Amino acid sequence: SAVISQKPSRDICQRGTSLTIQCQVDSQVTMMFWYRQQPGQSLTLIATANQGSEATYESGFVIDKFPISRPNLTFSTLTVSNMSPEDSSIYLCSVLPGIGGYTFGSGTRLTVV
Amino acid sequence: GEDVEQSLFLSVREGDSSVINCTYTDSSSTYLYWYKQEPGAGLQLLTYIFSNMDMKQDQRLTVLLNKKDKHLSLRIADTQTGDSAIYFCAESKDYGGSQGNLIFGKGTKLSVKP
Repeated sequence: SAVISQKPSRDICQRGTSLTIQCQVDSQVTMMFWYRQQPGQSLTLIATANQGSEATYESGFVIDKFPISRPNLTFSTLTVSNMSPEDSSIYLCSVLPGIGGYTFGSGTRLTVV
Repeated sequence: GEDVEQSLFLSVREGDSSVINCTYTDSSSTYLYWYKQEPGAGLQLLTYIFSNMDMKQDQRLTVLLNKKDKHLSLRIADTQTGDSAIYFCAESKDYGGSQGNLIFGKGTKLSVKP
């Protein structure tokens, strides 16, 4: 299965600022998924990122707030823009490699103060 | 609609079997998954089952799938304190025969008492 390196693992940010989260995969994958896990909650899909096209966002998530880049088949970034305390969550990227189930990054634990 | 439901808590004694149940609604799901999340950690894939199977066993883990009732269960034999975690059931969204994103249940918190 694929191995994902996700950075940063955690951060404490001031409200109004932005944070960019990176995911590097050790193999080429077509689709990458970005999820949010709010405290004590399950995972909610933010968007699906395909290389060479704009990300597809789920209801309730917009590009201005969560811009995504997917410059190649092994890398993606998610930016959380103009942060507020409500954005405090764990953010995870995920891929579906050719074999095996979906693999997740270790997550970015974001606290906005 | 898409909805995956699980009970929120389960408490067992060390050495007993644990059974975590899940129901899902999307009959087109190709694969169903079980993930484990320990405190402060990411998601660890435990096992998954293809929708045309009704059982899969992997060491202490047994997955049962009742496709007619859209019911999935995870049985952990000889449960240990290290099995204490949150267990998420998830179904893959089907996009014309290919897998898309995962849809997760709310997670079942398993507590194992010594």
